[in-house]
Amino acid sequence: AQSVTQLDSHVSVSEGTPVLLRCNYSSSYSPSLFWYVQHPNKGLQLLLKYTSAATLVKGINGFEAEFKKSETSFHLTKPSAHMSDAAEYFCVVSMLVDSSYKLIFGSGTRLLVRP
Amino acid sequence: DTAVSQTPKYLVTQMGNDKSIKCEQNLGHDTMYWYKQDSKKFLKIMFSYNNKELIINETVPNRFSPKSPDKAHLNLHINSLELGDSAVYFCASSPPGWETQYFGPGTRLLVL
Repeated sequence: AQSVTQLDSHVSVSEGTPVLLRCNYSSSYSPSLFWYVQHPNKGLQLLLKYTSAATLVKGINGFEAEFKKSETSFHLTKPSAHMSDAAEYFCVVSMLVDSSYKLIFGSGTRLLVRP
Repeated sequence: DTAVSQTPKYLVTQMGNDKSIKCEQNLGHDTMYWYKQDSKKFLKIMFSYNNKELIINETVPNRFSPKSPDKAHLNLHINSLELGDSAVYFCASSPPGWETQYFGPGTRLLVL
């Protein structure tokens, strides 16, 4: 069965410093993995996705994630945090059920950005 | 143009009432979904429909009944609302065979 574990419920960084949000996955086959972001009282926006092409995936707003099979990890990074990055981030794995996919969400990591 | 839209955005109601949430997508996708986000921000799939046919039903109480009049709409009707139904409900859609899902803005339901 597929699952994802987000290792930190909260991460706090100063503006301009690097961001690291950690995610480990469990999958019986090569997974498709995603990062979604949810700003306060907003919907979910796709940041990036990994679907077995390049292991380093670039997303929107300067975020990127690296798929490491040996470590079963898919950590999200950004070189320099901006105040507007403050949000809830979800690591997600997809699972095929009949003819459609269901997304299995991690518990989320709240990113706080200090001025 | 809004890709996946939901109405209403906020819904406050009393226990025992029946309410509906509407979802529409103008992306031409065949598959639509409902997810529930609880007070701890945990998101879980409830249903998926593929071209008006129910595909996934994640052991949701039968008080919840999705209805898909056409492939662009997936509405969620909830009977006899309970306090525990208070949550944010997200609609999503995806093209056939695609894993990437596009989410609506959410409907915040509060049951008093």
